[in-house]
Amino acid sequence: DAGVIQSPRHEVTEMGQEVTLRCKPISGHDYLFWYRQTMMRGLELLIYFNNNVPIDDSGMPEDRFSAKMPNASFSTLKIQPSEPRDSAVYFCASTDPDTGELFFGEGSRLTVL
Amino acid sequence: KNEVEQSPQNLTAQEGEFITINCSYSVGISALHWLQQHPGGGIVSLFMLSSGKKKHGRLIATINIQEKHSSLHITASHPRDSAVYICAAPRSGTYKYIFGTGTRLKVLA
Repeated sequence: DAGVIQSPRHEVTEMGQEVTLRCKPISGHDYLFWYRQTMMRGLELLIYFNNNVPIDDSGMPEDRFSAKMPNASFSTLKIQPSEPRDSAVYFCASTDPDTGELFFGEGSRLTVL
Repeated sequence: KNEVEQSPQNLTAQEGEFITINCSYSVGISALHWLQQHPGGGIVSLFMLSSGKKKHGRLIATINIQEKHSSLHITASHPRDSAVYICAAPRSGTYKYIFGTGTRLKVLA
């Protein structure tokens, strides 16, 4: 398997624009997580899904953030409108249902000017 | 006080040295993960353990559930081990992971 695949790897946008980050988890994994990493706050959980159903979105900063998982092989994290304070690396991760091991994507580095 | 604390925050070692990174947690957890992140890079899971000890190559991870403490050891350290090491644990009964702030390791040749 190719691992957890995220796109885009880098995104530079202007304040107010819509940003969509994409994630393809490893096939057969049942949990999918979206994390945000910044220098100031480290890794923070934004939302996680189990079998495509959102379980906990209490980490989503505000209504500008939304996440969907329409099927087992695809999830999106959308920010609309984006703000400079959203600049961070966004990681997607999924878990192996047999071992519980976490597998991370390479991350999407977002810069909002 | 963070629910998951790591020490030290920064560590510089000479190649070949034995390295220990510590992680203490104050919440109930079901398992503990050790993660590695190279500068500008992605995050790799090194270990997941809920009891005892695991070994992979030069890396050893231990956990003491009663004392709520885990350690990551690196034997015969090498410059390529230079990275940030993060411990993470899900709250018991959930998949809400809590992350330590990370230990930045630099191994000098």
